[in-house]
Amino acid sequence: DSGVTQTPKHLITATGQRVTLRCSPRSGDLSVYWYQQSLDQGLQFLIQYYNGEERAKGNILERFSAQQFPDLHSELNLSSLELGDSALYFCASSVLQGKDTQYFGPGTRLTVL
Amino acid sequence: AQRVTQPEKLLSVFKGAPVELKCNYSYSGSPELFWYVQYSRQRLQLLLRHISRESIKGFTADLNKGETSFHLKKPFAQEEDSAMYYCALGGYQKVTFGTGTKLQVIP
Repeated sequence: DSGVTQTPKHLITATGQRVTLRCSPRSGDLSVYWYQQSLDQGLQFLIQYYNGEERAKGNILERFSAQQFPDLHSELNLSSLELGDSALYFCASSVLQGKDTQYFGPGTRLTVL
Repeated sequence: AQRVTQPEKLLSVFKGAPVELKCNYSYSGSPELFWYVQYSRQRLQLLLRHISRESIKGFTADLNKGETSFHLKKPFAQEEDSAMYYCALGGYQKVTFGTGTKLQVIP
């Protein structure tokens, strides 16, 4: 157990809908990262937050947004969902950023029908 | 620019054979290199990082700054080593992951 929690574990929804994925980092970790892992692709970095501020952006679609709250938990919002958004979404946290070890959550499996 | 290259998508070896998973990086400063492992699409876990110089589950990795490489090695592959392996580079503010190599150990 890494200490990073993600809810829900599984999510099944329809195209065009909007969902929110939640991540609670390890106690004391200030950075949160979001990744998408599709069946046919590796790990795609989406976005990183550090102490409430956005620090880095990867291949995140405009339909997706995220935020980190004062208690350091983070939410990833996915809207106007498409079939291709079906994937595993991982959250990771680290104490600081850059050169720190990342601790990954168990992921949320999103299925868009 | 910060870049990590894992040239092999899939590496198949027989049980007991040596394993080498390749990782090359590009970074202008002093990097921190990591190997993460993912079993059966579960959460990624840190396998090792170069600064700790540890051997975990028989795996080792040496940072070669001249060749800008951080290859992962194990002298004798075990079936339980079958997994997805990601090399990652930690820079000043961000972390870059490679595309991953799937290791398949054939019994």
